[in-house]
Amino acid sequence: NAGVTQTPKFRVLKTGQSMTLLCAQDMNHEYMYWYRQDPGMGLRLIHYSVGEGTTAKGEVPDGYNVSRLKKQNFLLGLESAAPSQTSVYFCASALAEGAETQYFGPGTRLLVL
Amino acid sequence: SQKIEQNSEALNIQEGKTATLTCNYTNYSPAYLQWYRQDPGRGPVFLLLIRENEKEKRKERLKVTFDTTLKQSLFHITASQPADSATYLCALDQDGGFKTIFGAGTRLFVKA
Repeated sequence: NAGVTQTPKFRVLKTGQSMTLLCAQDMNHEYMYWYRQDPGMGLRLIHYSVGEGTTAKGEVPDGYNVSRLKKQNFLLGLESAAPSQTSVYFCASALAEGAETQYFGPGTRLLVL
Repeated sequence: SQKIEQNSEALNIQEGKTATLTCNYTNYSPAYLQWYRQDPGRGPVFLLLIRENEKEKRKERLKVTFDTTLKQSLFHITASQPADSATYLCALDQDGGFKTIFGAGTRLFVKA
């Protein structure tokens, strides 16, 4: 099993550009999450999903949108990137039962100029 | 809202000694508390989970304690090795377990 994979690994955007980050998991997990990690601030939840076709806002959802059209994929979109969105983005997944343990992807490093 | 406090200063210890990391939370007592390890440039990896009705949990050289009165968890690594050098994150459940809140982590350096 590949576990949780993220695409791309690194990206540079100009202010105002858009992009989509892709997260895929092959563990048949129901729950999926998108976090951003900034120095000294820990992981902050952007959006999450408790099943295919469902999404919900986390702690810092502004400027991001998500979609969960397939159970194994969770997409994070930035419609108009801003320098404040420069961060490392992590995707995670968890079983519906025992959702307390999350499995993380390797991260996507995003730089917005 | 719930806040997690972990020592932002790095912890430096000598190989073979026991490393002790602290996690304090400020609000309601969580149903469970977790510890994750994160290496530079990688995603966090789950290590241990302890529930509110458990005082202590062990896994190999790792030990976690949970004191709901003090609102604190201690994470111990015994017989530490240079390979244990990493950032350790504390995490608590939120909203019935659908979501998890993470601390900023404590960096551990183990010197040979």
